[in-house]
Amino acid sequence: DAGVIQSPRHEVTEMGQEVTLRCKPISGHDYLFWYRQTMMRGLELLIYFNNNVPIDDSGMPEDRFSAKMPNASFSTLKIQPSEPRDSAVYFCASSLIVPKSSKAADTQYFGPGTRLTVL
Amino acid sequence: DAKTTQPTSMDCAEGRAANLPCNHSTISGNEYVYWYRQIHSQGPQYIIHGLKNNETNEMASLIITEDRKSSTLILPHATLRDTAVYYCIVRVAFDFGNEKLTFGTGTRLTIIP
Repeated sequence: DAGVIQSPRHEVTEMGQEVTLRCKPISGHDYLFWYRQTMMRGLELLIYFNNNVPIDDSGMPEDRFSAKMPNASFSTLKIQPSEPRDSAVYFCASSLIVPKSSKAADTQYFGPGTRLTVL
Repeated sequence: DAKTTQPTSMDCAEGRAANLPCNHSTISGNEYVYWYRQIHSQGPQYIIHGLKNNETNEMASLIITEDRKSSTLILPHATLRDTAVYYCIVRVAFDFGNEKLTFGTGTRLTIIP
């Protein structure tokens, strides 16, 4: 499996522009997570989905951020309008529902991230 | 989720065992201890997890104290590729609605040649 795929890997844009980050989770995974990482705030969860339905979006910073998962193999994180303080590395992760009885880990598999710079 | 405390940084000589401590004194009975690491410029990577028994896999060993208030991640023979930030996370697992991982500041482990 190719793992979690994110695009683009790097994005440089100007303040006020719309930015769309894309994620393809591992095939068959039930959960998809969006995280953001900055030096100041570390790694923080923005939103996550189960079977394409948003479960927890309490980490989304403000209305400028939106996330969608139109199908099991694709998700987007959109920032409109973008601001310099949105500059960060955005990670997508996916995981599989694992029954407790299996003793397997409900591991989250992370993508390589998208480094966003807003000028 | 219970809060964890880890040293900010540690060094370890290549080939030696790296022992990374984590305190989680407020852990509750249904919370697991998870370890992830993040190598520079990459996404975090799962290492190991446990509830109360010691665990071992191909990457590491996890030792959890009997009172579960602390744990130690052991990398038995550290290599330069183990240089990374290591995160100890305590969370309720296998519980719908509690799938989120809350990352702290972690321990920056540097393997010295």
